[in-house]
Amino acid sequence: ILNVEQSPQSLHVQEGDSTNFTCSFPSSNFYALHWYRWETAKSPEALFVMTLNGDEKKKGRISATLNTKEGYSYLYIKGSQPEDSATYLCAFVNNAGNMLTFGGGTRLMVKP
Amino acid sequence: EAQVTQNPRYLITVTGKKLTVTCSQNMNHEYMSWYRQDPGLGLRQIYYSMNVEVTDKGDVPEGYKVSRKEKRNFPLILESPSPNQTSLYFCASSPTPSGGNQPQHFGDGTRLSIL
Repeated sequence: ILNVEQSPQSLHVQEGDSTNFTCSFPSSNFYALHWYRWETAKSPEALFVMTLNGDEKKKGRISATLNTKEGYSYLYIKGSQPEDSATYLCAFVNNAGNMLTFGGGTRLMVKP
Repeated sequence: EAQVTQNPRYLITVTGKKLTVTCSQNMNHEYMSWYRQDPGLGLRQIYYSMNVEVTDKGDVPEGYKVSRKEKRNFPLILESPSPNQTSLYFCASSPTPSGGNQPQHFGDGTRLSIL
């Protein structure tokens, strides 16, 4: 089983703060890296699928970067809002391309 | 509306009583997958399917069976459920046979309790 780690496990920030968290994954046999947002009592929703080293993707106030050579991806949230409170999951896909290995998630809580 | 539908949403049952959790998608997706979510362990892939009649084991397939007889349906079967299969289960689908290069669309989840 592949080792995909996310840090920190949880994070409390104030409304308006910018924040970032990390997903670490194997640097070999890379195919893709997924990011999902998972609100309590709902199902995970896709944020980004990243495939190229150096990729940067953005969706509103949320952006992500990818470094496949060193095996990490950062997710950034600019000006956090209470509605950003959720668990953020990353998933590594190896070069077979068919299996997703998820990290344990980062739980973000944004206080008004 | 494009969606992945799981049934039931909640189930409490007893050890050894066979059960099936259904999963259906209306997006004509090739790839479908089952995950379980346990506290502290994150989402773990049970089985996946790249197309009709093509299924493969994920990281935690023991105690589960699946079938893909039609493109839209991917049921998860627990032949003899045990308490360690108590978990939150998600079905997901994505457009291409390789599930890795497209985002997964998740169902609403099924919470199973096996006594």
